Amino acid sequence: DAGVIQSPRHEVTEMGQEVTLRCKPISGHDYLFWYRQTMMRGLELLIYFNNNVPIDDSGMPEDRFSAKMPNASFSTLKIQPSEPRDSAVYFCASTPLTGGRNEQFFGPGTRLTVL
Amino acid sequence: RKEVEQDPGPFNVPEGATVAFNCTYSNSASQSFFWYRQDCRKEPKLLMSVYSSGNEDGRFTAQLNRASQYISLLIRDSKLSDSATYLCVVKGNYQLIWGAGTKLIIKP
Repeated sequence: DAGVIQSPRHEVTEMGQEVTLRCKPISGHDYLFWYRQTMMRGLELLIYFNNNVPIDDSGMPEDRFSAKMPNASFSTLKIQPSEPRDSAVYFCASTPLTGGRNEQFFGPGTRLTVL
Repeated sequence: RKEVEQDPGPFNVPEGATVAFNCTYSNSASQSFFWYRQDCRKEPKLLMSVYSSGNEDGRFTAQLNRASQYISLLIRDSKLSDSATYLCVVKGNYQLIWGAGTKLIIKP
């Protein structure tokens, strides 16, 4: 089992540029989560999907952020235009839809730096 | 008030000592509780779930106090490899609510 896969692992970009982060959840997992982690704010949930459908995007900070899940094996988080305050580690996580189980399996994260 | 609160630390503890973390949560209707561990520059990983009757996994003991709305994690005979950030997590209505984490540093 390859686990949750994220790409790129590191991204350095300039303010105003578009950034696209990618995630492949664990096969068979029905839920997918996008998180952002900073020293100041800790781990914040941005959005999550159930069976490819966005359920709660209330954590998405601004309209500059958007997320899609076109199929069960792929999701993207896009920031357009990016700003320096978007610099953070972005994690994707997935979890199976099994009764009582709530463990979330995280990918290695994408470390984003916006200059 | 944050939904899940933890002492940020860091806790500097000598190897072999016992260390305890506490975490408080605000939603009395919360049903599920967890401790995750996050190593430096790595992703969080589930350490253990927390059950109402308390539970133990080797050197780790987790307890839940619903009346006072707090969760605890006890690590006995601490090892250098226990150095990490420990995240308290509470299941809300549909999602997990994460504490900011407590950093633990075990010193030889």
